[in-house]
Amino acid sequence: ILNVEQSPQSLHVQEGDSTNFTCSFPSSNFYALHWYRWETAKSPEALFVMTLNGDEKKKGRISATLNTKEGYSYLYIKGSQPEDSATYLCAFIEVYSGGGADGLTFGKGTHLIIQP
Amino acid sequence: GAGVSQSPRYKVAKRGQDVALRCDPISGHVSLFWYQQALGQGPEFLTYFQNEAQLDKSGLPSDRFFAERPEGSVSTLKIQRTQQEDSAVYLCASSLVGGALTDTQYFGPGTRLTVL
Repeated sequence: ILNVEQSPQSLHVQEGDSTNFTCSFPSSNFYALHWYRWETAKSPEALFVMTLNGDEKKKGRISATLNTKEGYSYLYIKGSQPEDSATYLCAFIEVYSGGGADGLTFGKGTHLIIQP
Repeated sequence: GAGVSQSPRYKVAKRGQDVALRCDPISGHVSLFWYQQALGQGPEFLTYFQNEAQLDKSGLPSDRFFAERPEGSVSTLKIQRTQQEDSAVYLCASSLVGGALTDTQYFGPGTRLTVL
């Protein structure tokens, strides 16, 4: 069973502040890491797909880094806005010994609340 | 453009009833995934289709769960003789390419199943 951990579980941040949270995953057999944002009553929305050690990706005020050797990824939000309130999920894909992999293995998510 | 849709959005079933959950993926998407999200957990992989072929059903929790995608587009997840532990949000996702581990998965809004 793959262990994908996200911390913290929940986070309250003042509007305008920057914040970050962590996704930890097994460092062996890494293939890819996905980040999703899931707002209440909506569909999970893809943010990033990361594959290479040292990858940095950016989308507006949100960015992510990847360290596959030590098994973690950080998601950063700069200048938080109320619309950033959501659950942020990371999902890991492992390469099986047979060379294939199918479904994503998700963490439990970080629930972010931006306070005006 | 139309995203992934799921129906019904909410389903209440009495224990022992059979239920069928529908997923309409994005048109032209080859891959289709089903996930189950129990309260307080991250989504967990159930099964994967590439066109009409069910390539991985390793996540289905019991033989009461059955999924099909007969024409390679719409998929149905069927749960027979529902139990209270089946209460969860069932998410469907599709991706454009088959077998691409880094392909973005586009999620539907989910079906919330409550078994009384």
